[in-house]
Amino acid sequence: GQNIDQPTEMTATEGAIVQINCTYQTSGFNGLFWYQQHAGEAPTFLSYNVLDGLEEKGRFSSFLSRSKGYSYLLLKELQMKDSASYLCAVRDSSGYNKLIFGAGTRLAVHP
Amino acid sequence: EAGVTQSPTHLIKTRGQQATLRCSPISGHTSVYWYQQALGLGLQFLLWYDEGEERNRGNFPPRFSGRQFPNYSSELNVNALELEDSALYLCASSLYGSTEAFFGQGTRLTVV
Repeated sequence: GQNIDQPTEMTATEGAIVQINCTYQTSGFNGLFWYQQHAGEAPTFLSYNVLDGLEEKGRFSSFLSRSKGYSYLLLKELQMKDSASYLCAVRDSSGYNKLIFGAGTRLAVHP
Repeated sequence: EAGVTQSPTHLIKTRGQQATLRCSPISGHTSVYWYQQALGLGLQFLLWYDEGEERNRGNFPPRFSGRQFPNYSSELNVNALELEDSALYLCASSLYGSTEAFFGQGTRLTVV
């Protein structure tokens, strides 16, 4: 089966650090993606991990552990504009590389 | 370079009618994905087309169908519309097996 789990909602303070976790169970694995989606807008690509370890891109970092079926997105120096939903997605190699999304984590950043 | 474009932006239909949603992928992309996002919920995989063929479909009834044209643009058709079909329908395109999919702005379908 296919299952991707993320917390539904998180809150954090401007300037702080927040970690959004994602666990997945898929028949095959060919990469994990994080997307950001502001309300009413299309998702935009943030990061991609296919090998274990940490990928850093500015204020955002993403970590992957394939053996644990686990990833996290780390957001540093939070800004108000980071208030959005963060979507974890897995490319399932058993399904012709179909891209499967979790339900998303709604992050609210407060002053 | 133009991104993924979807039309119309908004669509209002009555229950029982049919809706047709369109998507133009990024130039050179052969794969088109369709997702449904109901209000406050995550993206639910609908359909995936590549090179004109349906590669995979999600857990949706047969009244959700689509096709991909020779120029790789795609249509999503929803027949016998129901109130719960009201959602944002997102299209994404990518190179086959590529690492990243790019999303369009979506079509907001409202069924009344």
